[in-house]
Amino acid sequence: QKEVEQNSGPLSVPEGAIASLNCTYSDRVSQSFFWYRQYSGKSPELIMSIYSNGDKEDGRFTAQLNKASQYVSLLIRDSQPSDSATYLCAVTFSQGGSEKLVFGKGTKLTVNP
Amino acid sequence: GAVVSQHPSWVICKSGTSVKIECRSLDFQATTMFWYRQFPKQSLMLMATSNEGSKATYEQGVEKDKFLINHASLTLSTLTVTSAHPEDSSFYICSASGRAGVVLGNEQFFGPGTRLTVL
Repeated sequence: QKEVEQNSGPLSVPEGAIASLNCTYSDRVSQSFFWYRQYSGKSPELIMSIYSNGDKEDGRFTAQLNKASQYVSLLIRDSQPSDSATYLCAVTFSQGGSEKLVFGKGTKLTVNP
Repeated sequence: GAVVSQHPSWVICKSGTSVKIECRSLDFQATTMFWYRQFPKQSLMLMATSNEGSKATYEQGVEKDKFLINHASLTLSTLTVTSAHPEDSSFYICSASGRAGVVLGNEQFFGPGTRLTVL
């Protein structure tokens, strides 16, 4: 069973703070990792992709990957109320020759003004 | 870039009718399209994977005769929910993955979703 685990939250941070979102996955051979943001009633929006161990920064977002620990995280610096959403961690798993994306259940983030 | 559209955005139908949902990649060629379903307060569940010109691969527990998928071109996939019932009411979301030089890797880009309500 391929699993992606996230703390469901809710996670509440004040405006301007750093929000830290965590994710673990079960398949050691997974190679691609993604963070999506989903506003209520909307479809997911890709925020970050990361493929190698270490950090990847894009604006206020930093994704961190540790394949040995099977752990991927997302940091949001200078959090804004508009960042309030559910953040989905997604990991690719290879099965039957095809690559599939498995999502965690998401962490709901609330940024308080 | 990497825009995916979906139509309709919402649909209400009577039990027993069929509903077709279209998914289009607008600015790239989608080698693979995916169909997901999301129930309230739950995560996305993959229903099927389709590659252009070949039959879709369905996930375990998804009835292929009920959820018909056609991927006729590199920019269009359709999902038809046949003989819909109230338990099929859900948020259906497609995604597309493709290659366009070095711009796109294996990321999936999602359409805006279709909210289906079966009365």
